[in-house]
Amino acid sequence: GAVVSQHPSRVICKSGTSVKIECRSLDFQATTMFWYRQFPKKSLMLMATSNEGSKATYEQGVEKDKFLINHASLTLSTLTVTSAHPEDSSFYICSARRTSADTQYFGPGTRLTVL
Amino acid sequence: EDKVVQSPLSLVVHEGDTVTLNCSYEVTNFRSLLWYKQEKKAPTFLFMLTSSGIEKKSGRLSSILDKKELFSILNITATQTGDSAVYLCAVQLNYGGSQGNLIFGKGTKLSVKP
Repeated sequence: GAVVSQHPSRVICKSGTSVKIECRSLDFQATTMFWYRQFPKKSLMLMATSNEGSKATYEQGVEKDKFLINHASLTLSTLTVTSAHPEDSSFYICSARRTSADTQYFGPGTRLTVL
Repeated sequence: EDKVVQSPLSLVVHEGDTVTLNCSYEVTNFRSLLWYKQEKKAPTFLFMLTSSGIEKKSGRLSSILDKKELFSILNITATQTGDSAVYLCAVQLNYGGSQGNLIFGKGTKLSVKP
């Protein structure tokens, strides 16, 4: 149980285009989903926290107009990287949680390459 | 199907105890195994292991990988209450020679009592 999937698993796009990444909780309802970015030294940076039906809370330094997050249902959150640039190339990982007392379950990540 | 299994799922110990957390994996294209500590926000990176039998150490924490038996352990000696956290194991896959997807285990929740 508690499986989280991401789609696509990898995407290559041209600079200036927008890319949407989906995060789904497959067998549970996630009241909260988190979006992370993995950096080359393996650290994970929390980008934003989203609760179903409300606006995402962005971490300091993360541009909310560039990284649009939507959490429209209890099983789906999307991250849209708008006007992507090569420096946005990274691994984007989501996690989902049922309740505040629950652990986070991580997705497999989406590798974004912007040419 | 690629999978990473951590055990135990939760553990309660007293300060000063030594704990061993387990992570086993079955993946098609192994690149590296990573350990993270998650307290509040983002998981904190602890270790990356790519070679079998070489212990990595950082203070009271150490970890080792066995690529033949497909598992890793994370040891914490002389535990402190500040070690209370969820410890995540993740396997990064190889994709065409570069980094592929990360497969996370469900984590081990460690509680250290004073």
